[in-house]
Amino acid sequence: DVKVTQSSRYLVKRTGEKVFLECVQDMDHENMFWYRQDPGLGLRLIYFSYDVKMKEKGDIPEGYSVSREKKERFSLILESASTNQTSMYLCASSHGQGAQPQHFGDGTRLSIL
Amino acid sequence: GEDVEQSLFLSVREGDSSVINCTYTDSSSTYLYWYKQEPGAGLQLLTYIFSNMDMKQDQRLTVLLNKKDKHLSLRIADTQTGDSAIYFCAESPQTDSWGKLQFGAGTQVVVTP
Repeated sequence: DVKVTQSSRYLVKRTGEKVFLECVQDMDHENMFWYRQDPGLGLRLIYFSYDVKMKEKGDIPEGYSVSREKKERFSLILESASTNQTSMYLCASSHGQGAQPQHFGDGTRLSIL
Repeated sequence: GEDVEQSLFLSVREGDSSVINCTYTDSSSTYLYWYKQEPGAGLQLLTYIFSNMDMKQDQRLTVLLNKKDKHLSLRIADTQTGDSAIYFCAESPQTDSWGKLQFGAGTQVVVTP
């Protein structure tokens, strides 16, 4: 089975801190994705990556950056955390190009105080 | 507005059938997916259907696709309390070659005894 592991289930940080969310997948997937999930808004794509060192902006990239130095790891970075970034963050991965199902981690619930 | 639309809430009695509906807009989508999210967890791929199919059955789950109306439904037979969750439909637009999915906002299904 595909395993997507997010480093923290719950995280509490302060406004202005630099925050790192880590995601690792064990299925040699090319594509990796970061979403945030807020009540009533569904999933919104922040960034995605289709190869090592490659990244593309999603629908809401402002205030975030990403890093993909190794194929299995995709990091989401909040450069200077703000309270409106309090949310559930979900990482996903998928294989290759075209229509492939995405496999999700368990999510990180991030609170910015 | 949402490219993929779902009703937000469904209440069903244990033992009855649940039907969750979804409409999408991209007629070129090759695959359509159903995901399940239990409280505090990530999204779990439930099932998917290829766009040249009308129906797919997998144990208690039946997916119906009406491509003309761009309508997708998920029927859960003999609904159990463990089926209480948020259900997301998602489409994979053919115009996207990097595996991005468009998600609906999710339908909260509550199963009552």
